[in-house]
Amino acid sequence: KAGVTQTPRYLIKTRGQQVTLSCSPISGHRSVSWYQQTPGQGLQFLFEYFSETQRNKGNFPGRFSGRQFSNSRSEMNVSTLELGDSALYLCASSATDYSYEQYFGPGTRLTVT
Amino acid sequence: KNQVEQSPQSLIILEGKNCTLQCNYTVSPFSNLRWYKQDTGRGPVSLTIMTFSENTKSNGRYTATLDADTKQSSLHITASQLSDSASYICVVSGVEGGSTLGRLYFGRGTQLTVWP
Repeated sequence: KAGVTQTPRYLIKTRGQQVTLSCSPISGHRSVSWYQQTPGQGLQFLFEYFSETQRNKGNFPGRFSGRQFSNSRSEMNVSTLELGDSALYLCASSATDYSYEQYFGPGTRLTVT
Repeated sequence: KNQVEQSPQSLIILEGKNCTLQCNYTVSPFSNLRWYKQDTGRGPVSLTIMTFSENTKSNGRYTATLDADTKQSSLHITASQLSDSASYICVVSGVEGGSTLGRLYFGRGTQLTVWP
């Protein structure tokens, strides 16, 4: 079974731009969660989607949004990028309940200059 | 407040030696606890998952223990190898009041470096 894939793997953007990251979950998994990881804060939960619906949300500003498609693939969008948005963005997929077991993708390294 | 604390923050050991990483949590009610290994620039990989009723779980040279009474977990690495150099993250799942969906609480990780 193929693992979780994320594209692109690396991205450089400038302040004020917007960015879209993509995540393809493991086949058959319906839950996709997104995380931001920085050296100072560790892993922080952004949101979780299940069957195209946002089921859970972390404490991030509205500039961070996401969506999930009918094939369970998910995208995350960040608008009006700030320098502090530089981070490793990870997505993870689960069969149903993300709080039990989830599988992480390799991440997208976003650098905002 | 639900929290997960890991110690030490960083650890350096010599190849072949054993080590133990600690995770203390205040998450309640508790659903499960998992340990992840994360290599630099990569996504975390699950090592073990333990529910309330389990107190030991092994995955090769990795052995996790859980004391749900004291809300403590440890990850023991036996006969360390250079490839064990990574960040080890403790994640606790709890169920918030009125919700059937668990919520995850992350520790900041222990950075382990294994020297030859």
